[in-house]
Amino acid sequence: DVKVTQSSRYLVKRTGEKVFLECVQDMDHENMFWYRQDPGLGLRLIYFSYDVKMKEKGDIPEGYSVSREKKERFSLILESASTNQTSMYLCASTPWTGTYSNQPQHFGDGTRLSIL
Amino acid sequence: QKEVEQNSGPLSVPEGAIASLNCTYSDRGSQSFFWYRQYSGKSPELIMSIYSNGDKEDGRFTAQLNKASQYVSLLIRDSQPSDSATYLCAVPYSSASKIIFGSGTRLSIRP
Repeated sequence: DVKVTQSSRYLVKRTGEKVFLECVQDMDHENMFWYRQDPGLGLRLIYFSYDVKMKEKGDIPEGYSVSREKKERFSLILESASTNQTSMYLCASTPWTGTYSNQPQHFGDGTRLSIL
Repeated sequence: QKEVEQNSGPLSVPEGAIASLNCTYSDRGSQSFFWYRQYSGKSPELIMSIYSNGDKEDGRFTAQLNKASQYVSLLIRDSQPSDSATYLCAVPYSSASKIIFGSGTRLSIRP
């Protein structure tokens, strides 16, 4: 079974802090993703990475950055946390199989982040 | 038009009945289709994948795909209270390693 592990289930930070969310997968997947999920807005893609040191912006990258120094680890960084970044953050991974679009994403348990 | 559309619900179904969840998508090149179940406060869990036209059955779940109509559905037979959750339809882009998620249908099974 694929295991995607997010470092924290719950996190409380203050506005202006730099916040790091960590995600590790154990299946040697090439692709990793960060989403946020808010009531009524569904899952929104923040950033994704298809290889070490490679990243692409998703639909809502503003206020976030990412780091992928090792294949198994994908970090989401809130440069200066704001209250509107209070949300559930979900990490996911999927393998590259030589073609697009035929593999589901596997999610971690999520991090519920509150910015006070 | 949204790329993946689902009725947001809530859909209320009596226990033991069949729940029918629907999803339409816009990318004609899509080849894979997924259904996720998400309980409140939890992360999405993959429950069905379907790649070919027709039906695919797994226990009480049946996924149905019609590529010509760009339509995929999920049937849950003998619905149980534990099936109460939000169900997300997910369709990968045909030209990138990203998946588009529908906004989800909230299903409530009433005893």
